Amino acid sequence: AQTVTQSQPEMSVQEAETVTLSCTYDTSESNYYLFWYKQPPSRQMILVIRQEAYKQQNATENRFSVNFQKAAKSFSLKISDSQLGDTAMYFCALRNTGNQFYFGTGTSLTVIP
Amino acid sequence: NAGVMQNPRHLVRRRGQEARLRCSPMKGHSHVYWYRQLPEEGLKFMVYLQKENIIDESGMPKERFSAEFPKEGPSILRIQQVVRGDSAAYFCASSPPSGGPREQFFGPGTRLTVL
Repeated sequence: AQTVTQSQPEMSVQEAETVTLSCTYDTSESNYYLFWYKQPPSRQMILVIRQEAYKQQNATENRFSVNFQKAAKSFSLKISDSQLGDTAMYFCALRNTGNQFYFGTGTSLTVIP
Repeated sequence: NAGVMQNPRHLVRRRGQEARLRCSPMKGHSHVYWYRQLPEEGLKFMVYLQKENIIDESGMPKERFSAEFPKEGPSILRIQQVVRGDSAAYFCASSPPSGGPREQFFGPGTRLTVL
């Protein structure tokens, strides 16, 4: 069985600072994909970043980067230079080889001006 | 390429009525997923479908809920005899059939309110 755990229900960060959201997962598969999605107050789910498990290099998308520790089954999201528009719920997700997706319970991030 | 379309965006039903939620996946996508999100909660997986097939319905309540994804037309999530506890946002997502990381692309959701 696959599980995704986000242990931080809420976090806050000062504008322009850096924040890291944690995510751990459990899977018996060797090939899978990991994602971070953002859900702003509009409730539209937006893909932030993706990581392929067979790639050791951490994915980066502008101010967003991940720290992927495959052995520890950890997939944290770092947001640099936080902006007010980053205020949202962030969901970590895992896709297995059967195309099934598993989502964490989310972390509510507030960027403080 | 239009994104995932869901309609209606808002749906109000009285207890005991039926609710039909529609989802048109992105062009070329043959995998559809339905999720439910209660207020202040995360996404709960309901069902995963491919064209004309239900692949995984382990998250679907055993009664009153059904889903289909016909060969032609949108995917439909049907809730019969709605109750107040069915009030939630229902999200549809689609992904392509093969190749690459195949992330899900989400629709804007349908907010169901049961009076």
